[in-house]
Amino acid sequence: EDKVVQSPLSLVVHEGDTVTLNCSYEVTNFRSLLWYKQEKKAPTFLFMLTSSGIEKKSGRLSSILDKKELFSILNITATQTGDSAIYLCAVFNAGGTSYGKLTFGQGTILTVHP
Amino acid sequence: EPEVTQTPSHQVTQMGQEVILRCVPISNHLYFYWYRQILGQKVEFLVSFYNNEISEKSEIFDDQFSVERPDGSNFTLKIRSTKLEDSAMYFCASSTLAGGFSEQYFGPGTRLTVT
Repeated sequence: EDKVVQSPLSLVVHEGDTVTLNCSYEVTNFRSLLWYKQEKKAPTFLFMLTSSGIEKKSGRLSSILDKKELFSILNITATQTGDSAIYLCAVFNAGGTSYGKLTFGQGTILTVHP
Repeated sequence: EPEVTQTPSHQVTQMGQEVILRCVPISNHLYFYWYRQILGQKVEFLVSFYNNEISEKSEIFDDQFSVERPDGSNFTLKIRSTKLEDSAMYFCASSTLAGGFSEQYFGPGTRLTVT
């Protein structure tokens, strides 16, 4: 059974802090790993990672994948209150002849205090 | 910026009733998905759909569930006879490519409450 585990489950920081969110996975037929930010409703796409060691960056957010150790991290520098959200990690299993499916972790709840 | 839209935002129904949740995927996307999230739990895959066919479904997606693309823009999820445990947020998603080669974009969700 595919498994995606995120840690920590929750994190409380102050504005300006740097945070690192972790995601480990066990998935057959790995294709890609995605990070999403979930505020009130829909998960909003952040990054898609397919290759080890290549950092993806968007402003204060960055992410990297290690396919040998089966994990990814999401870094947020100089956090702001607007970064408060649930961060979801999901892995794409392109199994068999199907088009594959996303398996999600349980999420990390990030709270940034002013 | 193109986005996935879903209606209604909230649906309340009685146990045993049929519900249809509607989605309009991003216009140039070809692959469509439904996921659900029970309150406090993980987002779970339900079904993927391409070329007017289901390409994969989870064990959750039993005979009570069906999907349809009735026209060129809408993608619907029907639950024939709702149960209390169907209460959840239902997300539609779409992508340009399948198999994890492109990201999936999610709609805002429909909160289904079964009483």
